[in-house]
Amino acid sequence: DTAVSQTPKYLVTQMGNDKSIKCEQNLGHDTMYWYKQDSKKFLKIMFSYNNKELIINETVPNRFSPKSPDKAHLNLHINSLELGDSAVYFCASSQEWGLAGAETQYFGPGTRLLVL
Amino acid sequence: EDKVVQSPLSLVVHEGDTVTLNCSYEVTNFRSLLWYKQEKKAPTFLFMLTSSGIEKKSGRLSSILDKKELFSILNITATQTGDSAIYLCAVLIQGAQKLVFGQGTRLTINP
Repeated sequence: DTAVSQTPKYLVTQMGNDKSIKCEQNLGHDTMYWYKQDSKKFLKIMFSYNNKELIINETVPNRFSPKSPDKAHLNLHINSLELGDSAVYFCASSQEWGLAGAETQYFGPGTRLLVL
Repeated sequence: EDKVVQSPLSLVVHEGDTVTLNCSYEVTNFRSLLWYKQEKKAPTFLFMLTSSGIEKKSGRLSSILDKKELFSILNITATQTGDSAIYLCAVLIQGAQKLVFGQGTRLTINP
């Protein structure tokens, strides 16, 4: 059973389109995260939600909007896609918020987004 | 700005060799340092280091932290082809409560 799952695995789309990536965790965790891994392999946090509330919102364009319908899901919607949005997006979850949670994150398999 | 730098960026060795991967950091408020292994998909957790000088071991892998010199190393002995992966180092920032990652070291083990 997959602990943290993401759909789709691959997404190829044209510039200017709007797309969503879904994330679900079946671990019963309270906190979920979105990370972006660029072509140079830097993994950077974008957002963090705890109990459906936004906790971390890094310097991310407001074209990116996370949505957490419940504790088990954290979806990422991206408007007006740009070439620079091409990356691998990882979802993660942890039991707790805060330092203990950040130290024990489980990552999803990633969604590879390519904007043409 | 918080920064984590890994070296080398890429390393190719033969099976059976021993490798040492480096991670240095400059951060505002250090809490702990973590190592991950990333194969084709998600990063998987290897070690968490909080105190200087205490070696963590798991099979052929070991890691140690030096909080005075602000770095950590990850050692892999008797490497196997299955060790081929990207190894990521991350520092947990107290206060901001977030992980800051390095750019990773791509390790390739040739048979």
